[in-house]
Amino acid sequence: DQQVKQNSPSLSVQEGRISILNCDYTNSMFDYFLWYKKYPAEGPTFLISISSIKDKNEDGRFTVFLNKSAKHLSLHIVPSQPGDSAVYFCAASGLNNDMRFGAGTRLTVKP
Amino acid sequence: DAGVIQSPRHEVTEMGQEVTLRCKLISGHNSLFWYRQTMMRGLELLIYFNNNVPIDDSGMPEDRFSAKMPNASFSTLKIQPSEPRDSAVYFCASTQDSGRYNEQFFGPGTRLTVL
Repeated sequence: DQQVKQNSPSLSVQEGRISILNCDYTNSMFDYFLWYKKYPAEGPTFLISISSIKDKNEDGRFTVFLNKSAKHLSLHIVPSQPGDSAVYFCAASGLNNDMRFGAGTRLTVKP
Repeated sequence: DAGVIQSPRHEVTEMGQEVTLRCKLISGHNSLFWYRQTMMRGLELLIYFNNNVPIDDSGMPEDRFSAKMPNASFSTLKIQPSEPRDSAVYFCASTQDSGRYNEQFFGPGTRLTVL
């Protein structure tokens, strides 16, 4: 039961352009959302999060947007840099504090 | 702090053998999560503990899988007997349960190959 879905397994963008990674969820009880970034041979690391009381959270080049009515969130990276090339996981959490992850999107930023 | 520590980093075994994966939490953390990463399903939550107590094990695929926290800082995930379809990268993550919105800190993972 995939409660968190990332429908694009991969994304390729040019350095300096915007990267947009998308995520959909099905469980309306989720109220906290996170993005994790993963490099090869390493564990995922936290990138940015958003609470359901907000619709936008910005941290430097990274912005997460939340559309609760559509059960959709997105991560914008601008400008994209080659070092951003990694797998990005969307995650959602509810009252019971467990975390459900999407399958990940592999971002490649070309110089 | 050394972060979450997992061992071994790589494990190759034959079908039918017992496999034990180990995880050491970050000092002061009291929630522990085990995940499995595969190409097809991404990161799946297997089980998580809070204060050494299993809270949700609904993600454990079969009775062949078991997890324990013998103390507050250490956990094991055991697969017995192992099967080729268990091949994946297994991550553990810990968090400080000081509130509901907690960043999880992941270990580097154990890559398991069952032949």
